[in-house]
Amino acid sequence: DTAVSQTPKYLVTQMGNDKSIKCEQNLGHDTMYWYKQDSKKFLKIMFSYNNKELIINETVPNRFSPKSPDKAHLNLHINSLELGDSAVYFCASSQYGAYGYTFGSGTRLTVV
Amino acid sequence: GENVEQHPSTLSVQEGDSAVIKCTYSDSASNYFPWYKQELGKGPQLIIDIRSNVGEKKDQRIAVTLNKTAKHFSLHITETQPEDSAVYFCAASMIGGTSYGKLTFGQGTILTVHP
Repeated sequence: DTAVSQTPKYLVTQMGNDKSIKCEQNLGHDTMYWYKQDSKKFLKIMFSYNNKELIINETVPNRFSPKSPDKAHLNLHINSLELGDSAVYFCASSQYGAYGYTFGSGTRLTVV
Repeated sequence: GENVEQHPSTLSVQEGDSAVIKCTYSDSASNYFPWYKQELGKGPQLIIDIRSNVGEKKDQRIAVTLNKTAKHFSLHITETQPEDSAVYFCAASMIGGTSYGKLTFGQGTILTVHP
């Protein structure tokens, strides 16, 4: 069983569309994260949820809205997609802060 | 906020040689320093970590050293193998306080091990 699974793995869409990426973890962790990896491989945190509560909200356009229906799921919805949103988005989870992060395999988003 | 600088950006070695990647951090409150390996098409995977109360940690061919005074830490890979080829990231975090598990990553190092 995959510990942190994201869907879809690839997402190609046109500018202006709205899309969602889903993430699920079966590790029993209480904290989940979204990270963005740009074309230069730089990884930057976007959001973090702890037991369904938003605890980190970095400087991200409000077109990005995370939602956590329960502590095992964290979805990312993006409105009005722009070319600059093209990147790989990683979901991750952990139990005790930064210790023992487990990352998903990523969703490559391409906006055309 | 925390800023992590990582060098070199690319590193090419022959199989069997050692590889060293160095990182510096800016926030003296950071107390946890993990290293991640990212293979093509996959997510980062934790390979080793060190906490601020320890100066060195080793796991088989991989070791990490930490100098809190100078605010830098390094990854050492000995007897490199072609399967060590990947992108390596250092990161820093503050366990406790208001960091809430946020990791600040370095820019990454592309390691290539030639057979």
